[in-house]
Amino acid sequence: GAGVSQSPSNKVTEKGKDVELRCDPISGHTALYWYRQSLGQGLEFLIYFQGNSAPDKSGLPSDRFSAERTGGSVSTLTIQRTQQEDSAVYLCASSSSPPGSGTDTQYFGPGTRLTVL
Amino acid sequence: EDQVTQSPEALRLQEGESSSLNCSYTVSGLRGLFWYRQDPGKGPEFLFTLYSAGEEKEKERLKATLTKKESFLHITAPKPEDSATYLCAVSRGSWGKLQFGAGTQVVVTP
Repeated sequence: GAGVSQSPSNKVTEKGKDVELRCDPISGHTALYWYRQSLGQGLEFLIYFQGNSAPDKSGLPSDRFSAERTGGSVSTLTIQRTQQEDSAVYLCASSSSPPGSGTDTQYFGPGTRLTVL
Repeated sequence: EDQVTQSPEALRLQEGESSSLNCSYTVSGLRGLFWYRQDPGKGPEFLFTLYSAGEEKEKERLKATLTKKESFLHITAPKPEDSATYLCAVSRGSWGKLQFGAGTQVVVTP
């Protein structure tokens, strides 16, 4: 079946502009995660959705970052007033079960490479 | 503070030369330990989940094991297509977010 898809695959923007990144999880997956992968920083957690609610936003680096999920499916990560330090690969993952259920393996999409000039 | 440390940072192997990667962790209340493979320009690809000490899982030339302090990923008779960065991650707490190690970059030469 189809895996996690993300769009766009690449995004180049100018400092100060807003960007929206989209994630389509695997059909039926209730849990959705956003991560960021930067050179020298590794993979870091941003936000977790269970259904349409986000019980864990602890990884969002600043109030310029926000995310929403509608219909328990598609999620959008928005970065306002982008800065050069926001340049990274943004990865989305989904899981079929809530954490702790024993079947909560996360499957990742291909990522969106964001470059802020 | 929770930590996930992978070693070595990089590993160069001849085809057929078996080796092991290490992932050590200091996490209270570990829920699960995950191994992923990542190729350049792609997202991490799931390999294994381990939930309890003593558990082992195998897939083709890969075998993952778990103790109370560390996990090993054994690569038996590797082939060039096994070249990738191997990532270890742990899950704890209520929400399942993964904390990743920095990865081990493996290069297998013919």
